[in-house]
Amino acid sequence: GAGVSQSPRYKVAKRGQDVALRCDPISGHVSLFWYQQALGQGPEFLTYFQNEAQLDKSGLPSDRFFAERPEGSVSTLKIQRTQQEDSAVYLCASSLTRLGARSPLHFGNGTRLTVT
Amino acid sequence: KQEVTQIPAALSVPEGENLVLNCSFTDSAIYNLQWFRQDPGKGLTSLLLIQSSQREQTSGRLNASLDKSSGRSTLYIAASQPGDSATYLCAVRPLPGTGANNLFFGTGTRLTVIP
Repeated sequence: GAGVSQSPRYKVAKRGQDVALRCDPISGHVSLFWYQQALGQGPEFLTYFQNEAQLDKSGLPSDRFFAERPEGSVSTLKIQRTQQEDSAVYLCASSLTRLGARSPLHFGNGTRLTVT
Repeated sequence: KQEVTQIPAALSVPEGENLVLNCSFTDSAIYNLQWFRQDPGKGLTSLLLIQSSQREQTSGRLNASLDKSSGRSTLYIAASQPGDSATYLCAVRPLPGTGANNLFFGTGTRLTVIP
């Protein structure tokens, strides 16, 4: 596709439910990032993939958060036993080259997660 | 840890005015700096990317400058239009090998251009 695609656009979950958020990066993009954006704040880093390898997961807030990119393209962010503080917009971004090279990040429109 | 600050948090200007948005960062050891635009309910759109060796980048009515030693960047918007209304975010990328694999974002400046 022309850009980064995320689904679903909106997700409402009851506290304690598990959720899965999907990201389709731009075709051929090597790097993929997940960010969490709380209302009125800038995005906060969650995790980084280079192809299928998860090279950095230091931003994941707890072991309830899990991300994968098994074939180096589509990625899924899973949140187990959701809590109210998990309510945020989850943004996915991809970049043509590996981290550190001179290419901008391209963001999807995000998934707005509301935990009730 | 890198801290990125954007001032002002919100700005309203009449259509046609030129304006400047400010971004400051605490650690000057950056690889590049990127300005983004975010419309309500949308993701981020990259506007300009400045490498650490560069002083400025221009795209249409937008000009971004970088003073790495003082930890500052500005985004200049000329002849503002109502369609420029959005939140503008700056983000810095650390140097490779520093252990940080992400962009550090400011909290943004919410711009409203009044027709």
